[in-house]
Amino acid sequence: DTGVSQDPRHKITKRGQNVTFRCDPISEHNRLYWYRQTLGQGPEFLTYFQNEAQLEKSRLLSDRFSAERPKGSFSTLEIQRTEQGDSAMYLCASSPVLGRGHNEQFFGPGTRLTVL
Amino acid sequence: SQQGEEDPQALSIQEGENATMNCSYKTSINNLQWYRQNSGRGLVHLILIRSNEREKHSGRLRVTLDTSKKSSSLLITASRAADTASYFCATRTMQGNKLVFGAGTILRVKS
Repeated sequence: DTGVSQDPRHKITKRGQNVTFRCDPISEHNRLYWYRQTLGQGPEFLTYFQNEAQLEKSRLLSDRFSAERPKGSFSTLEIQRTEQGDSAMYLCASSPVLGRGHNEQFFGPGTRLTVL
Repeated sequence: SQQGEEDPQALSIQEGENATMNCSYKTSINNLQWYRQNSGRGLVHLILIRSNEREKHSGRLRVTLDTSKKSSSLLITASRAADTASYFCATRTMQGNKLVFGAGTILRVKS
């Protein structure tokens, strides 16, 4: 049984560079979520997909952020022109639409981004 | 911004003692969930309580929900060193599927 995986686990970049993160959800899960977590805080919702459709986006998701889930399986989160304030842990989660576990979310280990 | 507040921010207890954490939220909810996070395993779902439920148990965990006060509590009985982690409440509203997390309580269980 493989859980949610994220790649890379750590990313260090210079301000102004673009970065892309990948999330592979649990295979039978239709819903996929992205959250951002800064030190000492709980995760904050960024966006969510059901299959390939992006159904909700937070106001936190500025135009520098874009997320895709082209085939309804894995998802990518891209941050363009990174800023130091983007430094955070980026968490991905997935859940089924129906059945056991549909009310909870299964989280990946996260990608820690450091912008220098 | 976060949905609500958690109290206390940090808690340090001896192994075997009980730990109680509280959570308050702001809007009407469909359900409230508690998650645990430690550096080794990331965020893990612990227990869910629906808006029409008042108390729920799972092993050493007991969660209560008071929708009139928009608050919840998580009790961990007979704590163990392995319970050391951050604990977050998260609410799901009637609309949508996102979770809105509190700021968390850091629990340290000393052996």
